[in-house]
Amino acid sequence: NAGVMQNPRHLVRRRGQEARLRCSPMKGHSHVYWYRQLPEEGLKFMVYLQKENIIDESGMPKERFSAEFPKEGPSILRIQQVVRGDSAAYFCASSPTGGNTGELFFGEGSRLTVL
Amino acid sequence: GNSVTQMEGPVTLSEEAFLTINCTYTATGYPSLFWYVQYPGEGLQLLLKATKADDKGSNKGFEATYRKETTSFHLEKGSVQVSDSAVYFCALSDPVDSNYQLIWGAGTKLIIKP
Repeated sequence: NAGVMQNPRHLVRRRGQEARLRCSPMKGHSHVYWYRQLPEEGLKFMVYLQKENIIDESGMPKERFSAEFPKEGPSILRIQQVVRGDSAAYFCASSPTGGNTGELFFGEGSRLTVL
Repeated sequence: GNSVTQMEGPVTLSEEAFLTINCTYTATGYPSLFWYVQYPGEGLQLLLKATKADDKGSNKGFEATYRKETTSFHLEKGSVQVSDSAVYFCALSDPVDSNYQLIWGAGTKLIIKP
């Protein structure tokens, strides 16, 4: 059973370009979470999605960032007009249910470098 | 609100030393508590968990006991190995507050020297 798959693993963008990060949850999981991790720091929650719905985007910057989880296909985290401060590792996690079971299954992350 | 506080790192130990990484929490309800581990270049993975007071979670030689009286969930291992070098995150999930989000500690980097 494949785990959470994220791609690309590494992405380099110049300032002003767009970055698209993809996440395929584990089979049977319909809940997806995106986190950002800056170097030498902990995880910062960004957004929680279920299929076709954004449940909580309180951790997302108001501008340039968006996320979706369509009925078919992976979840996408999109960053428009990237700036150097967007350089970070972006982790996706999935769970079979929402609520407070607390066990999340993480992908290996997508490391974005903005030049 | 809920929060998790971990001891600052890095923690540097020699192989076979005893490990303790402190974690304390505040919560409005009766949370579940977790330790996740992140090996270099990888995502996080669940190490152990405890869902009620006095429960002990254990895995791979690591243990943590849910202490409600001290609001703590300290991670311990009797004899560490070089392969335990990683970042360890304490987290909680509270059904009363933030019922679908894990609340994370800042992480503690562990370095084990041969």
